[in-house]
Amino acid sequence: SAVISQKPSRDICQRGTSLTIQCQVDSQVTMMFWYRQQPGQSLTLIATANQGSEATYESGFVIDKFPISRPNLTFSTLTVSNMSPEDSSIYLCSVWGGNEQFFGPGTRLTVL
Amino acid sequence: KNEVEQSPQNLTAQEGEFITINCSYSVGISALHWLQQHPGGGIVSLFMLSSGKKKHGRLIATINIQEKHSSLHITASHPRDSAVYICAVRAQGAQKLVFGQGTRLTINP
Repeated sequence: SAVISQKPSRDICQRGTSLTIQCQVDSQVTMMFWYRQQPGQSLTLIATANQGSEATYESGFVIDKFPISRPNLTFSTLTVSNMSPEDSSIYLCSVWGGNEQFFGPGTRLTVL
Repeated sequence: KNEVEQSPQNLTAQEGEFITINCSYSVGISALHWLQQHPGGGIVSLFMLSSGKKKHGRLIATINIQEKHSSLHITASHPRDSAVYICAVRAQGAQKLVFGQGTRLTINP
């Protein structure tokens, strides 16, 4: 199993600012996934973060808006840049471990 | 059309009722996941299926690969089962999950 923690758990930010979300896993994993869940919607994959290489972004998401770091096999950060109210969402990191998908508790972001 | 469709979108039932949530998908998959999301946002993995049927406590999940369909059943439902249940599939050869829209379940005492 994998235990995932995220920081912060929630934040309220002003438009135009940036927020960095941290994801820590208690075991080494090759891939870490960052998801966004907009209000009332299901999860959408933002990008896949591999250690030692550039993150792979899904259609509609770009590195300038959502830069990702993956400095080692247990940690990753997602930055939401130049925020607007449309970025208000829950952001979740996730890992694949064995036969199960594990999710962090999420970061609830509100942009005013 | 979404790759993963769930029904119903919302379901309200009385405590003790038998609950069924359905999931249909349109792509070839290597696995299907059922997830539970509580109001705080945290997500818990309930099942991963590639064939057949799995049971855990009062929860049963089935999958029919030929029909591209899965069901999640809850027996003797309880108010603490109230949550959003999400179906997600992993396409063949892919690492990422594609999610359904979720089913919001409310069990009244």
